[in-house]
Amino acid sequence: NAGVTQTPKFRILKIGQSMTLQCTQDMNHNYMYWYRQDPGMGLKLIYYSVGAGITDKGEVPNGYNVSRSTTEDFPLRLELAAPSQTSVYFCASSDPGLGETQYFGPGTRLLVL
Amino acid sequence: QQQVKQSPQSLIVQKGGISIINCAYENTAFDYFPWYQQFPGKGPALLIAIRPDVSEKKEGRFTISFNKSAKQFSLHIMDSQPGDSATYFCAASTQGGSEKLVFGKGTKLTVNP
Repeated sequence: NAGVTQTPKFRILKIGQSMTLQCTQDMNHNYMYWYRQDPGMGLKLIYYSVGAGITDKGEVPNGYNVSRSTTEDFPLRLELAAPSQTSVYFCASSDPGLGETQYFGPGTRLLVL
Repeated sequence: QQQVKQSPQSLIVQKGGISIINCAYENTAFDYFPWYQQFPGKGPALLIAIRPDVSEKKEGRFTISFNKSAKQFSLHIMDSQPGDSATYFCAASTQGGSEKLVFGKGTKLTVNP
């Protein structure tokens, strides 16, 4: 049982490039989340999903897109990368039927130059 | 608008001492208050959580104190150990929906040997 896995661990992008951050969970959780973490700013919710085919915006969705075609996967797409998207990105999952605990992945560190 | 305010930003205590981190919230609809612990290079992990129907919850050396009327809650770490050195985040959410968490900005705790 790997929990929540994220790839890649680290990536450098040039301004204007695009990429997809991958997130997979093997706990059969319905709810999944994407956060970004900036130094001294805590974690801010980008997008979330309450089930396959259902996604919604969080606090800071601009510049990002998501899709949820399966229960296991919740990729985050960055289009036209900007320096402001330099951050550490965390994916998390939870099952409301088992409590509110969110289980986080190890994170993806993204640097946009 | 910062819905959960956390203080202090950093905290240094000696081994065996008591670490206290405070949080205040604004939204009276919040009904779940977790604390997450994050070690460098790792994703956050749930440490302890409380609901507003109790004023205190204790798990080992970790205690949450909750003051509903003041809209404040705090984390107390008794007999602090160097292994407790990490960043701690308070958070809040409302039940019955997407279980979205609103995080404080975090407190970096250093426990000196």
